[in-house]
Amino acid sequence: ETGVTQTPRHLVMGMTNKKSLKCEQHLGHNAMYWYKQSAKKPLELMFVYSLEERVENNSVPSRFSPECPNSSHLFLHLHTLQPEDSALYLCASSRNPGQGNTGELFFGEGSRLTVL
Amino acid sequence: AQSVTQLDSQVPVFEEAPVELRCNYSSSVSVYLFWYVQYPNQGLQLLLKYLSGSTLVKGINGFEAEFNKSQTSFHLRKPSVHISDTAEYFCAVIQRSGAGSYQLTFGKGTKLSVIP
Repeated sequence: ETGVTQTPRHLVMGMTNKKSLKCEQHLGHNAMYWYKQSAKKPLELMFVYSLEERVENNSVPSRFSPECPNSSHLFLHLHTLQPEDSALYLCASSRNPGQGNTGELFFGEGSRLTVL
Repeated sequence: AQSVTQLDSQVPVFEEAPVELRCNYSSSVSVYLFWYVQYPNQGLQLLLKYLSGSTLVKGINGFEAEFNKSQTSFHLRKPSVHISDTAEYFCAVIQRSGAGSYQLTFGKGTKLSVIP
């Protein structure tokens, strides 16, 4: 139990569906992240939110839309996805590095997405 | 740009044998170093971290790592592995990249397979 909860754990969707992944943390962290993990590929950082503002967007297609309504919640809205978007989507949170904080990430268990 | 190299993508080892998973990073400035473990169908969890001080760091499940500044390495070791250690291991580095900003970089991962 890392304190970061992701739902759903598994999701199967068609290419025309709209769905959302949810991430919740109660660790008092002020930064949240979405990573994509595909088979045989390294971890890909998708989005970073710090203090509820998006600070990084690594050339992610617009069919992925993040939302951070408050420091405890992070969503990833999905629409018109492609089969190659099938992957494990990992949420993480941290305190921003500095002022004695190391910035280590605490990960959720991931949402396994399959796009048909 | 900072990089983290995990030289071995897969490491098979017999049960109760020792193992070393290698990690090198490219940085001449102070860094924080981490090893994460990912068991099948789960998220990443922190195994151990080096912040400062003693170069030998002990983590959970009997793992330890040694920080070597001159060789910019942070290799992970365990003297006797168990079947339950079968997982993927990720090395990560946090480096200060500018005034008040930090860069987190993950290696590509090493899959450890423990053979009965």
